[in-house]
Amino acid sequence: KNEVEQSPQNLTAQEGEFITINCSYSVGISALHWLQQHPGGGIVSLFMLSSGKKKHGRLIATINIQEKHSSLHITASHPRDSAVYICAVSGGDDKIIFGKGTRLHILP
Amino acid sequence: DADVTQTPRNRITKTGKRIMLECSQTKGHDRMYWYRQDPGLGLRLIYYSFDVKDINKGEISDGYSVSRQAQAKFSLSLESAIPNQTALYFCATSDATVLRGYTFGSGTRLTVV
Repeated sequence: KNEVEQSPQNLTAQEGEFITINCSYSVGISALHWLQQHPGGGIVSLFMLSSGKKKHGRLIATINIQEKHSSLHITASHPRDSAVYICAVSGGDDKIIFGKGTRLHILP
Repeated sequence: DADVTQTPRNRITKTGKRIMLECSQTKGHDRMYWYRQDPGLGLRLIYYSFDVKDINKGEISDGYSVSRQAQAKFSLSLESAIPNQTALYFCATSDATVLRGYTFGSGTRLTVV
């Protein structure tokens, strides 16, 4: 079983829809990261969080440490949000374990 | 200019050839990493370095070697490239602790034919 599981693997939605991507992990962590990878391949760090909730523009990330679960939400989705979203966790040894990613496609 | 620069961006090479991928950073970060990404798989760690002269193997280091020439430079070598090393390679950096987040390079798409 992978230590970081994301769901869904693929998601297609209409522009304007509210999007939720989930991440569950099975190891102890010091922080959880959400990354965005655009079709060109570049990876950008969106959030790093260890508790509660963070918001940046239309993106919201939440984490529940007790349940070992995090969600990434996108409000008022737009075609430019189409990308692969990657969840990753870092533990006490500062190494990062990556999920396999969720491929999001927003239709105009 | 990008904070983390990888060269080349794309490369096609033949089986058995030696190839070097280079990474340089202007973040001033101590820690540098090389990852590979394959379709359907998450990013996998090849090698990492927490400081100049510090080199550590990751989960898939066989067939690769690295050199940390300076704090700002970390290169990845494939001594004798093979087709299953065809992948997207990323260099990343972090501060003294990853709690402050990673910065990734734009990636190098390597094809071994």
